[in-house]
Amino acid sequence: DTAVSQTPKYLVTQMGNDKSIKCEQNLGHDTMYWYKQDSKKFLKIMFSYNNKELIINETVPNRFSPKSPDKAHLNLHINSLELGDSAVYFCASSQEGGNYGYTFGSGTRLTVV
Amino acid sequence: DAKTTQPPSMDCAEGRAANLPCNHSTISGNEYVYWYRQIHSQGPQYIIHGLKNNETNEMASLIITEDRKSSTLILPHATLRDTAVYYCIVRVGGGAGSYQLTFGKGTKLSVIP
Repeated sequence: DTAVSQTPKYLVTQMGNDKSIKCEQNLGHDTMYWYKQDSKKFLKIMFSYNNKELIINETVPNRFSPKSPDKAHLNLHINSLELGDSAVYFCASSQEGGNYGYTFGSGTRLTVV
Repeated sequence: DAKTTQPPSMDCAEGRAANLPCNHSTISGNEYVYWYRQIHSQGPQYIIHGLKNNETNEMASLIITEDRKSSTLILPHATLRDTAVYYCIVRVGGGAGSYQLTFGKGTKLSVIP
C-alpha cells in the first residue's frame, strides 16, 4: 500500500496551460504539504494545509493554489504555467502532535516547454 | 527555526559506520533535531529525530551533544543503498501544521564498495 501517492509521475505541458497534480494519503494524517524541488535540488515548502488553516509560503506565486476535497487529498492546481515552474513537486503528510515525521510521496516531475 | 550547517559531501566504505555531523548552535530549548534523507529521484524519507537524549531506531542512531549545539547521525553498517543526501533539520515541537520542515543543502553521502 502506498502511503502518499501522487499522480501523474511525469507531466509535460506547454507554457500558458493550466494543470493539476493530485495527492492522496492513506495514513489518516491530518496535515498535508506541497514542496517544490528545483534544478539545484533545493526543497522548498509551498503550502501546508489541515482542516484548521492553510499556510502559504509568501514566495509562491498566486498562480499556484492547493485544493483539498477532503482530509486525505491535497491537489495542486497551477494556472498559466511558466518555464520556471519546471521542477519536481512532492506531496507530504503528517499528524498533528505526532512524532514520526513527514511521509513524502515519490514526486511529480513537471516540465514546461 | 534554527539554522543548521552540514558538510556538503562525505564518503564511507561499505560495511563501515557512517557518521554525519550537523551543527545547530542557535537551537532553542523547544526545537527538535530531525534527520531525513533523499535517495536519488525519490521523495525525502524520515530517519530519526530527538530533543536532547540520544535516540536509536532500526535505521540509525542520533547522538546529540549535551549543549545541544551539534548532533551526529550514525548509520552503523552503511550499504550502497544508503547513498543519498542527508538533511539535518531543527524544528519547533514534534507535531505538524505550522511547524514546517525547512530543508537546507544537506550532506551528499556516497557509500563506496
